[in-house]
Amino acid sequence: DIQMTQSPSSLSASVGDRVTITCRASQGISNFLNWYQQKPGKAPKVLIRAASSLQSGAPSRFSGSGSGTDFTLTINSLQPEDFATYYCQQSFTIPYTFGQGTKLEIK
Amino acid sequence: QVQLQESGPGLVKPSGTLSLTCTVSGDSISSSNWWNWVRQSPGKGLEWIGEIYHDGSTNSNPSLKSRVIISVAKSRNQLYLDLTSVTAADTAVYYCVGGPNAVAAAFDYWGQGIPVTVSS
Repeated sequence: DIQMTQSPSSLSASVGDRVTITCRASQGISNFLNWYQQKPGKAPKVLIRAASSLQSGAPSRFSGSGSGTDFTLTINSLQPEDFATYYCQQSFTIPYTFGQGTKLEIK
Repeated sequence: QVQLQESGPGLVKPSGTLSLTCTVSGDSISSSNWWNWVRQSPGKGLEWIGEIYHDGSTNSNPSLKSRVIISVAKSRNQLYLDLTSVTAADTAVYYCVGGPNAVAAAFDYWGQGIPVTVSS
């Protein structure tokens, strides 16, 4: 299985900050990397697909980059509704696997 | 707008079979989507269980493969999950998830999830 490792596991930030979350795959996955946002009690929601394509309807302050094994999710100018848990997921090969999540909290 | 709704028992006895139904609305289950089951537990995070295409093709997680049966009923626009020989480790929120049959696809559609506890 491809292991997905996110860092940090948790992060405290303030409204207006710029934050970056990283995701590393245990082997190359090209750009087959998706990012999800999950709020408490809700299902995950896709934000970024194929490493850098913003999901329709997602705010433009979210962006993704990377290829191969190293990927980043950047949130510019954090908004109150952005405080949530973020997951990366590889769709390169079965079994599809997720990172352990990064919890973004208000400082 | 595609909507997915999971249903089934919230409590299953150890060694029993966990059986869930997902009802798809807003799209045909015969469309060009793969239909998946994903679960989430505090201990193991998000775990992909398996997927099915409308032609009956299936793939499942090798860690669960021998215990997982995924099927569809086109006439009812439903998909099903049977997980046999359950233990407490199968306690989780189970999600029905849809994604396009495309390269580099993501999990676009999620049900609200159904919590299932394995306990006697």
